[in-house]
Amino acid sequence: GAVVSQHPSRVICKSGTSVKIECRSLDFQATTMFWYRQFPKQSLMLMATSNEGSKATYEQGVEKDKFLINHASLTLSTLTVTSAHPEDSSFYICSASREGGGEKLFFGSGTQLSVL
Amino acid sequence: GENVEQHPSTLSVQEGDSAVIKCTYSDSASNYFPWYKQELGKGPQLIIDIRSNVGEKKDQRIAVTLNKTAKHFSLHITETQPEDSAVYFCAAREGTYKYIFGTGTRLKVLA
Repeated sequence: GAVVSQHPSRVICKSGTSVKIECRSLDFQATTMFWYRQFPKQSLMLMATSNEGSKATYEQGVEKDKFLINHASLTLSTLTVTSAHPEDSSFYICSASREGGGEKLFFGSGTQLSVL
Repeated sequence: GENVEQHPSTLSVQEGDSAVIKCTYSDSASNYFPWYKQELGKGPQLIIDIRSNVGEKKDQRIAVTLNKTAKHFSLHITETQPEDSAVYFCAAREGTYKYIFGTGTRLKVLA
């Protein structure tokens, strides 16, 4: 199957610090990875689309300087929440689609970020 | 752009009964419609999907139907079990890579 690994699953940090979340496709190469944010009992909100070797495309209203995305290889994308504040507390989920097309989207297990 | 509406927001069924969740979409160019199951504290898991050139697809107790003319698609779960309890999301693919998700249905299967 297609496995997407996301770490950490849960992180608690102090306000003002930065947090990095990793997303890896374990058994396939992912040309494109996506980062979502999900509030309790709500749907998934696309934050940005990450393409290997190029700058991420951010959705309207998402601060690119706040949420830094790096897609350095075909199997790894990272999301860094910089200078985190309590309002950044949320469930962050990555997803990936296979290189060469393939419409199926596979999700990581999510990261619960709590900023104190 | 694409807009996906999902109903109902919550659904309770007795174990063994069927559950149906419906979604409508707005962009007639959308051609791929996946369904995801999300358990508490976990990422969504793809359970079934359908392309626009197919009207129905079935995988054991799960089936999806698509009506392109009416622009709606539905998830059918038969012989529900307590482990089917979760939040279900429909989605429509807009363009090549962008997926628009429905608002989710919280399914509770009562033993």
